[in-house]
Amino acid sequence: NAGVTQTPKFQVLKTGQSMTLQCAQDMNHNSMYWYRQDPGMGLRLIYYSASEGTTDKGEVPNGYNVSRLNKREFSLRLESAAPSQTSVYFCASKTDEKVASYNEQFFGPGTRLTVL
Amino acid sequence: DAKTTQPTSMDCAEGRAANLPCNHSTISGNEYVYWYRQIHSQGPQYIIHGLKNNETNEMASLIITEDRKSSTLILPHATLRDTAVYYCIVRVAPTQGGSEKLVFGKGTKLTVNP
Repeated sequence: NAGVTQTPKFQVLKTGQSMTLQCAQDMNHNSMYWYRQDPGMGLRLIYYSASEGTTDKGEVPNGYNVSRLNKREFSLRLESAAPSQTSVYFCASKTDEKVASYNEQFFGPGTRLTVL
Repeated sequence: DAKTTQPTSMDCAEGRAANLPCNHSTISGNEYVYWYRQIHSQGPQYIIHGLKNNETNEMASLIITEDRKSSTLILPHATLRDTAVYYCIVRVAPTQGGSEKLVFGKGTKLTVNP
């Protein structure tokens, strides 16, 4: 299993440009998440998806849109990038299979985005 | 979710036990303590969790005080690869079939020295 994969690994954008960050998982997980991590800070939740076809806002959703394309893929779109969106973006996924135990989140390697 | 307090940084000698404290004095009865870590430039990784009993797995041990107001993550024989930021998170368990919104603070930067 590749686990959680993210593309691209690095990206530089100019202010106002748009782009989509891709995330895929091959673990048949129901829930998927997008976080951002600014330098020296912990992760903050942008959006999440409890199941295919559903998405919900997290702590910092402004300036982002998401699509849960299917059970495997969860994309994050920046319609008009701003310097404040310079960050490292992490995708995560989680199963709900274990009933009496904790289902931990599995994280991807991250996408490092710079907006000039 | 209960607020947690962790030291900003800690050092440990390779081969020694690393003891990482976490204060969560406002924890509620139904809230668990979770630990994740983040090795430089990688995504976070789950370590261990507990409610009130001490827990141990292949990675670490978790000691929770009797009043549950604080806990300690123990890496029994720290290696250089354990150098990372360690996050203590307190929250209720996610419902079956529900999503889980983790709240990461700044964590503790553990440096294991040779």
